[in-house]
Amino acid sequence: EVQMVESGGGLVQPGGSLRLSCAPSGFTVNNNYMTWVRQAPGKGLEWVSVINRGGSTFYADSVKGRFTFSRDTSKNTVYVQMNSLRAEDTAVYYCAGGSDLDYWGQGTLVTVSS
Amino acid sequence: DIQMTQSPSAMSASVGDRVTITCRASQGIRNSLAWFQQKPGKVPKRLIYAASSLQSGVPSRFSGSGSGTEFTLTISSLQPEDSATYYCLQHNNDPLTFGGGTKVEIK
Repeated sequence: EVQMVESGGGLVQPGGSLRLSCAPSGFTVNNNYMTWVRQAPGKGLEWVSVINRGGSTFYADSVKGRFTFSRDTSKNTVYVQMNSLRAEDTAVYYCAGGSDLDYWGQGTLVTVSS
Repeated sequence: DIQMTQSPSAMSASVGDRVTITCRASQGIRNSLAWFQQKPGKVPKRLIYAASSLQSGVPSRFSGSGSGTEFTLTISSLQPEDSATYYCLQHNNDPLTFGGGTKVEIK
């Protein structure tokens, strides 16, 4: 059974940084699409970033220049480094695996507030 | 970026009703579309992939159709447990884009 386990969420002040991790089991981050999706309170799903099979990354305009998606194949883990956080980044962040988001983690809550 | 226009944004229907939700892509995406169901406080669950393929374990009352720019999710006979928000997702082009969601309520 595939499981995606996210960690790293929490409360951070505006302008601060946070790094989220996603460690799948039963699924390899190498040669697979890995995606971050977020959902602000009471809102819909928003695609944030993807790392494709070749290791290329793409970002939503709302996070471009502030978020960095990376992967460590030796640890079978992906990360998103989130800098210059804003109140509007407050959301549950989901890690999803597969080109059409076959597998989802339980989500980790990021709250940006002073 | 490809825009996904989903309609309706909300609806109310009775148990046993046939329910149809539509997603329209701003440009052709072949059959690179998935449908997700999300219940409050829960993780989105994929129902349909490749526009019309039923995810394993999903009841057969759910079906998807379409290709190119027009896609449909149909619930043939609405059940109480189908009360949820439904999202389409195009994954033909980066960035991937979701529809705005359809909240389905039971009358």
